[in-house]
Amino acid sequence: TQTVSQSDAHVTVFEGDSVELRCNYSYGGSIYLSWYIQHHGRGLQFLLKYYSGNPVVQGVNGFKAEFSKSDSSFHLRKASVHWSDSAVYFCAVRRNNNNAPRFGAGTKLSVKP
Amino acid sequence: NAGVIQTPRHKVTGKGQEATLWCEPISGHSAVFWYRQTIVQGLEFLTYFRNQAPIDDSGMPKERFSAQMPNQSHSTLKIQSTQPQDSAVYLCASSSPGGETLYFGSGTRLTVL
Repeated sequence: TQTVSQSDAHVTVFEGDSVELRCNYSYGGSIYLSWYIQHHGRGLQFLLKYYSGNPVVQGVNGFKAEFSKSDSSFHLRKASVHWSDSAVYFCAVRRNNNNAPRFGAGTKLSVKP
Repeated sequence: NAGVIQTPRHKVTGKGQEATLWCEPISGHSAVFWYRQTIVQGLEFLTYFRNQAPIDDSGMPKERFSAQMPNQSHSTLKIQSTQPQDSAVYLCASSSPGGETLYFGSGTRLTVL
């Protein structure tokens, strides 16, 4: 069974700060990793994904994530956040097409002006 | 492209009543996923269809919950004898053939009184 852990329930930063949202997974085989964003009252929207190749993947709106097999991690980063980045961010892990993605508990990012 | 459409947006039922939730995937998408979101449990996987066939229903409660996909243009999630603990936002998502990105609807907020 694949599981994903997001250790921070809530992260608060100021506009222009950098931010790292943490994601750790537990599964030994090849997996798909992805990040989604959820604004209040909306469905989730895709940010980026990783399966193989370059461990650093670029997403939309300046987000990027780095895969680390040794740390079992897939942390999301942004160099300079904007107030509109305030949302809940979900990390997801998926084994293959015969399984559905499983999501972490989410990290609520609050960006103060 | 209207995106994934979920109806109704809000549904209020009395304890013991039946609730049927509808999802229309993006045209051409072959996979449909159902998730349930609550503050306490987070984003829980329920069930997954591909080409209208059930692929993974490991998240579905054994009693009272059922899901169908009678044609490629819609899926339904039915909850019989609803209980207050069924109150949640039910999210539907779809993905293209072979695609890893899930596209989510805005969800149906179910409130069981």
